[in-house]
Amino acid sequence: DQQVKQNSPSLSVQEGRISILNCDYTNSMFDYFLWYKKYPAEGPTFLISISSIKDKNEDGRFTVFLNKSAKHLSLHIVPSQPGDSAVYFCAATWIQGAQKLVFGQGTRLTINP
Amino acid sequence: GAVVSQHPSWVICKSGTSVKIECRSLDFQATTMFWYRQFPKQSLMLMATSNEGSKATYEQGVEKDKFLINHASLTLSTLTVTSAHPEDSSFYICSATAVIRETQYFGPGTRLLVL
Repeated sequence: DQQVKQNSPSLSVQEGRISILNCDYTNSMFDYFLWYKKYPAEGPTFLISISSIKDKNEDGRFTVFLNKSAKHLSLHIVPSQPGDSAVYFCAATWIQGAQKLVFGQGTRLTINP
Repeated sequence: GAVVSQHPSWVICKSGTSVKIECRSLDFQATTMFWYRQFPKQSLMLMATSNEGSKATYEQGVEKDKFLINHASLTLSTLTVTSAHPEDSSFYICSATAVIRETQYFGPGTRLLVL
């Protein structure tokens, strides 16, 4: 049962354009969402997070949007840079969940020069 | 950000042997450490949660006698894969967090190949 889903295994974007990565979840208990960036053979690196009491959080080039009614979140990267090429995982957790993170399958983002 | 290290970064072993992986928080005290496993092109799957000084809590389907976890101090947790088999070959990643709801900081991972 995949509670967090990233339905696009890959995404290719032109440098300078906006990258939009999507994530859907099914568990209504989730109240905190995170995005991680991962390079091959490395551990994930935290990017940005959002609490369920917000619908938007921005940090530099990265913005996360949360639509609770649709159980959907997205990560926007603008402008996209070649160094952004990596696998992006969304993850979810809940206040009763003892800090457990439930990860999506990941989306491989490729930024083309 | 906080630094978490793992050792070794990769290991090749024969079937039937045991392998120990260390996870250390280098610049903070980790009250909780997590162990994940990632198969190729799949998501990170939580294996167990470990709190310093207490027994680890394993996720459903993870054999606690096969994957021994020890969290002996606030900066070190170990995962021992006992009697490893080829199907245990995977990428094992630990993470650590200092306080409740704090961001989890991930180690670089350990690639295990069992022949």
